Parts: sequence; C-alpha cells; structure tokens
Amino acid sequence: GQNIDQPTEMTATEGAIVQINCTYQTSGFNGLFWYQQHAGEAPTFLSYNVLDGLEEKGRFSSFLSRSKGYSYLLLKELQMKDSASYLCAVLDSNYQLIWGAGTKLIIKP
Amino acid sequence: DAGITQSPRHKVTETGTPVTLRCHQTENHRYMYWYRQDPGHGLRLIHYSYGVKDTDKGEVSDGYSVSRSKTEDFLLTLESATSSQTSVYFCAVQAGTADTGELFFGEGSRLTVL
Repeated sequence: GQNIDQPTEMTATEGAIVQINCTYQTSGFNGLFWYQQHAGEAPTFLSYNVLDGLEEKGRFSSFLSRSKGYSYLLLKELQMKDSASYLCAVLDSNYQLIWGAGTKLIIKP
Repeated sequence: DAGITQSPRHKVTETGTPVTLRCHQTENHRYMYWYRQDPGHGLRLIHYSYGVKDTDKGEVSDGYSVSRSKTEDFLLTLESATSSQTSVYFCAVQAGTADTGELFFGEGSRLTVL
C-alpha cells in the first residue's frame, strides 16, 4: 500500500529552527508537496520538490531525497504565527496526491 | 486566492437525510476535487472532476456522488448521511497542469451527522 509518515506533533521555541520530516512509500513518484494548515482553516501551498536537493523560499526550505523516500521542511526564525499543521503529500504514478496525516507544530515563546 | 467558495460552511443533519455541499469557483479551473479531513488521517479524496460532466472516484467514494454541470460548480451529495460521514469537507481546484499544479482549497464545510 501507499504510505506517508510524519510526526504527529512537534514543539519548538520562537526564534529557533525546526525540521519536520516526511517519509513516503508510494507507487511511483511525480513530486512532493508541503502545505500549511492553521487550525480551522484550509491548507495553503508551501513548496513543491520533484528533483533531489534543497529548495529555499524565505524562512522555509524543503529538501528531497528520492532514493531514500524522504523529505523535510525546515522552518527558520520561528514566529508564533508558524503554529500550524504541516501536511506532506506525494504525487504518485497516476498523478494522484497521497497525503500524510500532518504534523502539528506548537511554537512556544 | 483562487476564488473558491463552499456552502454551507456548517451543517448539522440527522442520519438518513440527504445533504448537498456546493463548491463554486470563479477562475475557470478545469480540475476540481472533494476531500474529507478527519483527525489522524490525511486528506482523503472522495471524487474529482476534470471537466464539465467528467468526474471520477477517489479512494473514499462510497456513499457519495458528485455532479459538475457547469465549469464553476462542483456539487457533492450524500444520498443518505451516516454518522461516519461527520467530517470537514474541502473542495479544491488545481492551478496549472495536472502533474505540477498546486491545489487551492475552499474554506471547508463542517458536517455533523447525528
């Protein structure tokens, strides 16, 4: 079967750095997405990786290793507004998105 | 903002009643999706559409039907609601091509089936 694993919950301190990991086992691979979802709101797109390596976008970076079935989202200079759930999703060989259950990130002052 | 609105935003209904959720978009996107989101689960695809009157099933389609008679509207119907269908339902549209386009989501519809 297809599977996306991410930690259920993480806690970090304002101003610090946090890395959220995502491992996947899917039938084929056509890209990996990260979305942010604040409580009670809709998911919003953060990043897309299809090739190995690091993609940087401001305070957020996303890394992909296709050979290891692994990605991480790196958040720097954490702010209170970064408290949210972070969803990892993989586009499989049929171009269907497979979603992880999400990682709830709690930021403490 | 992809101009997506969902209605109703909240609904409480009783087991066995029919329910229709509406998704409306203003930007002529071809691909539209209905997902449900439950604690401990990732977003799960119910049905999707790739054009007017062109729809297909997702992984959790049992108990749901959809219709798309106009580009801008994608309706999700629960013919006879059950308590297991209590969930938050999200509509999404795809920007760009089918293989790389990101999804834009509506605000969600919270459905409670008593």
